[in-house]
Amino acid sequence: GEDVEQSLFLSVREGDSSVINCTYTDSSSTYLYWYKQEPGAGLQLLTYIFSNMDMKQDQRLTVLLNKKDKHLSLRIADTQTGDSAIYFCAEKERTALIFGKGTTLSVSS
Amino acid sequence: NAGVTQTPKFQVLKTGQSMTLQCAQDMNHEYMSWYRQDPGMGLRLIHYSVGAGITDQGEVPNGYNVSRSTTEDFPLRLLSAAPSQTSVYFCASTTGPQGTEAFFGQGTRLTVV
Repeated sequence: GEDVEQSLFLSVREGDSSVINCTYTDSSSTYLYWYKQEPGAGLQLLTYIFSNMDMKQDQRLTVLLNKKDKHLSLRIADTQTGDSAIYFCAEKERTALIFGKGTTLSVSS
Repeated sequence: NAGVTQTPKFQVLKTGQSMTLQCAQDMNHEYMSWYRQDPGMGLRLIHYSVGAGITDQGEVPNGYNVSRSTTEDFPLRLLSAAPSQTSVYFCASTTGPQGTEAFFGQGTRLTVV
């Protein structure tokens, strides 16, 4: 079956760049997503990338997609304490999203 | 815009009780789905629907039923609640296979004692 894998934890210092990695298995995925979840809150869509793109940049966020290796990454430039959250990678199957287990990003000042 | 509305936000059930988690969307989306979120497990797909009258099972369907009598509503029923169903439940909708964004409700925190 389809699977999305992420590392579970990442710790960075304020002002550094954060890179969260994700691998997926379904080569037919049309879209790949990054969601952010703060404690006790719902899911916030950060950005998404279409499967025929290699890169997408949106302010402090850069998404890189290596379709050959089925590898997706999210880079957050100038990481702030407000970026501390759980980040989920997700791939879109035809009918629903398949999520990774989430990466907890901890930002220290 | 209401988007995706889930009710209730919080619920405590006793083992063996039944209840229905409500989900409604006002965006005329074809696709709707239910997820449960457990610590360290991410979001797992319970059931999904590709249109009124059409539902199918996701990764963890056991203990849950769904129906889709209208485009707007996609209720999730727990027939006989078990402590293992203690979780946070999210409902989502999207326009269809070409839809780029899934819209999520704010979640229902369910505790089964």
